[in-house]
Amino acid sequence: DTGVSQDPRHKITKRGQNVTFRCDPISEHNRLYWYRQTLGQGPEFLTYFQNEAQLEKSRLLSDRFSAERPKGSFSTLEIQRTEQGDSAMYLCASSWTEDTEAFFGQGTRLTVV
Amino acid sequence: GNSVTQMEGPVTLSEEAFLTINCTYTATGYPSLFWYVQYPGEGLQLLLKATKADDKGSNKGFEATYRKETTSFHLEKGSVQVSDSAVYFCALSGSARQLTFGSGTQLTVLP
Repeated sequence: DTGVSQDPRHKITKRGQNVTFRCDPISEHNRLYWYRQTLGQGPEFLTYFQNEAQLEKSRLLSDRFSAERPKGSFSTLEIQRTEQGDSAMYLCASSWTEDTEAFFGQGTRLTVV
Repeated sequence: GNSVTQMEGPVTLSEEAFLTINCTYTATGYPSLFWYVQYPGEGLQLLLKATKADDKGSNKGFEATYRKETTSFHLEKGSVQVSDSAVYFCALSGSARQLTFGSGTQLTVLP
């Protein structure tokens, strides 16, 4: 297994466009997390899934953000009508259970121009 | 809510110097505490963790002790190497095991 993979690694988009990111967790990991990291800051929790169920969403996740994990495997994070403030690194992590180590992907760097 | 306050960087040390990166936290209940490391061009990696008061986490020569009385989890290493140059994040886990991170400390070790 190659770990958590995220695609694309970099995305440049114009303000107002929609973007979608994909995360492939480590095989058989039940938990999947999304975080956002801005320059000079630590990652901030956005949302997490237990299998296909989205169990918690941060207040950072505005109505323009939606995340899915339709079959309990890969997940997508969509941002609609992007704004410059959405520019950040979006990180995905997965873990076997709630009490086991979370493994992080390398992230998708979004730049909104 | 939960929060983590981390020593601001950047920190620059000479090889073989002693390292301390301070971390204090605010949390309800009894969180687990973590140190993550991010090497250039790589994803976050778990460095060490402690799950209850007075536990000591250790890995690769790094250590940190969970101090409930001072709500601290300071990272230490007795002799740093150039290869330790990275960004270090202190974090705690919430009720749903999502992580709350500090702002990170950039460490540069000079030969």
